[in-house]
Amino acid sequence: DAKTTQPNSMESNEEEPVHLPCNHSTISGTDYIHWYRQLPSQGPEYVIHGLTSNVNNRMASLAIAEDRKSSTLILHRATLRDAAVYYCILSRPYNNNDMRFGAGTRLTVKP
Amino acid sequence: NAGVTQTPKFRILKIGQSMTLQCAQDMNHNYMYWYRQDPGMGLKLIYYSVGAGITDKGEVPNGYNVSRSTTEDFPLRLELAAPSQTSVYFCASEDRSLNYGYTFGSGTRLTVV
Repeated sequence: DAKTTQPNSMESNEEEPVHLPCNHSTISGTDYIHWYRQLPSQGPEYVIHGLTSNVNNRMASLAIAEDRKSSTLILHRATLRDAAVYYCILSRPYNNNDMRFGAGTRLTVKP
Repeated sequence: NAGVTQTPKFRILKIGQSMTLQCAQDMNHNYMYWYRQDPGMGLKLIYYSVGAGITDKGEVPNGYNVSRSTTEDFPLRLELAAPSQTSVYFCASEDRSLNYGYTFGSGTRLTVV
């Protein structure tokens, strides 16, 4: 399975943008890049996913490098409610069991 | 729309006891998953199902069993509880055709003493 590498932790100030990086140098052509987040004492929550092009939704933006070996999750204005563990995951649409949640990045948002 | 409902939220078991963790979804999702999360760690896949009557093992299936008799329900059975099974258990579902990602339940915190 292709692996991802994320920093263990990051800090941000409230109302500032946050860029959460993810490296996936062994990504294959059919791997989608997924991002989930887990708020304290809750189950993970889907954030965004993409294949090659940058993606935007109401929660965040996903910027994918041209060679697809890295990606960045962008929170445009961090709020205290964005404090969570963020997981970057590679998954293939025809695989049933390859959604692997590693340790993720713990984001702390300071008021 | 309730989403994914897990019961109970908390449970303490004695070593050797058995229990069933319940998971139900009302979104008519075909795919369902069971994960466990140990303190400070990521989630590990225990079992998954791609539809009623079909189940398969994930990364860490030992000590667990599942069944999927209906689309809605995906219970996880612990037959002989061990301290190593102390964890938080999450159930998730997915409509693969919509590609909106997994919907997770709020978890069951299990302690085996």
